[in-house]
Amino acid sequence: ETGVTQTPRHLVMGMTNKKSLKCEQHLGHNAMYWYKQSAKKPLELMFVYSLEERVENNSVPSRFSPECPNSSHLFLHLHTLQPEDSALYLCASSQSPIGTSGYEQYFGPGTRLTVT
Amino acid sequence: GQNIDQPTEMTATEGAIVQINCTYQTSGFNGLFWYQQHAGEAPTFLSYNVLDGLEEKGRFSSFLSRSKGYSYLLLKELQMKDSASYLCAVMDSNYQLIWGAGTKLIIKP
Repeated sequence: ETGVTQTPRHLVMGMTNKKSLKCEQHLGHNAMYWYKQSAKKPLELMFVYSLEERVENNSVPSRFSPECPNSSHLFLHLHTLQPEDSALYLCASSQSPIGTSGYEQYFGPGTRLTVT
Repeated sequence: GQNIDQPTEMTATEGAIVQINCTYQTSGFNGLFWYQQHAGEAPTFLSYNVLDGLEEKGRFSSFLSRSKGYSYLLLKELQMKDSASYLCAVMDSNYQLIWGAGTKLIIKP
C-alpha cells in the first residue's frame, strides 16, 4: 500500500469519448503530479500542483485537462484523445511544495490507458 | 538539452552483485534519485544523493559524483525479487525531476 490510489486501473476509450482519471493521496502531502509513462521512454511530467495551484504544464496538449479540488485529490480529464496517447498514466505526491529538494515522490499504481 | 543515460537492460545472477550506472547532463542539480519499478507496478523510492559519495541502505547503495555527472546503484546479494526496472532521476535547477528511461534488471538463478 503506497498511500496513493488511482482509478480506474485500466481504461479503454474511443477517440471521441470523454473520461476522467482520479488520484487520491492519503499521506498528507501538498504537491501532486501527473506523469505519462510509455514503453522504453523516460517518465514525462505532465502537470504539477503545489498547494492546489498548478505550477507546471509541460506543453501538454489541451485534450488533457487537470483538476485539483484539494490537496488530496487530483483528476485528469481526457477528451478526443489520439491512439498515441495510449500509455500508463501515473499520479504521484510529495511532502514539499515545489522549490525544495530532497523529498521523494510517492507513486500510485497507474492507469493503463488504451485509445482505440 | 537535459539528458539522463542509463543502460536499457542488464542481466545478473542470483546472489551476485550488480552496478547500474547513470550519467546526466542537466541545467542545475538539486539531487539524484533512484527508484525501483516492478512490472505493472508503481515506482518506489530507493535512494537520494545530493552530496558526493556513497549512501548505503541495506543491500542497496548509491554513489554520486557531481563533477562527473555520474551515479551508480549497487545491488548486493541479488535476489529474484530484485528483477525490476531501476529509474534514475535528477532534480534540476527548477526543482523538476528529469527521468532516465530506466534499466531493466533480469536476475537469473
